[in-house]
Amino acid sequence: DAGITQSPRHKVTETGTPVTLRCHQTENHRYMYWYRQDPGHGLRLIHYSYGVKDTDKGEVSDGYSVSRSKTEDFLLTLESATSSQTSVYFCAISGTDRETQYFGPGTRLLVL
Amino acid sequence: DAKTTQPPSMDCAEGRAANLPCNHSTISGNEYVYWYRQIHSQGPQYIIHGLKNNETNEMASLIITEDRKSSTLILPHATLRDTAVYYCIVGAIQGAQKLVFGQGTRLTINP
Repeated sequence: DAGITQSPRHKVTETGTPVTLRCHQTENHRYMYWYRQDPGHGLRLIHYSYGVKDTDKGEVSDGYSVSRSKTEDFLLTLESATSSQTSVYFCAISGTDRETQYFGPGTRLLVL
Repeated sequence: DAKTTQPPSMDCAEGRAANLPCNHSTISGNEYVYWYRQIHSQGPQYIIHGLKNNETNEMASLIITEDRKSSTLILPHATLRDTAVYYCIVGAIQGAQKLVFGQGTRLTINP
């Protein structure tokens, strides 16, 4: 299995509070991604990174920001969490061949 | 929106071949067909991908029609552990690989 960890694995927070989710990889892969998955839906891309300090928006980026200061870490921040951001968040990585994405175990976020 | 169409659910008996269809009639010439699966609430797992030729690996086979408008994922000897949601995705390898997941097919392997 690819070396991807996500932290925290579970989090409960209140509306209006900031939340940061961390994705850490040990594969030295160039590309990193953040997805969210809501019940009955497939995954939707939030943001992605194609290198240190290089990021771009995905399909559902409103309300989220990201940062990548090191190859191994990709942070997803909810500046002011809302109940609509209750979801399961998955991080993924891919190498320069970009043929395969490896996914982390996910973070379950509940915004009350 | 996803560019693929898959049946919402399928059943297969343990030990038999599971054949999962996917329609992608608007696929472009430079787009690959990818298959991922998601077991329960785990992160998706890559299975296989192809451009136009049939592909086989230790997990599955991928059959792509000559016109590339549809494909079939084959799990040759399904086990209970193959019960999962299977996603068929099309996309080009240009810059970051931005996968667009649809609803997938929920495959249930029955004993």
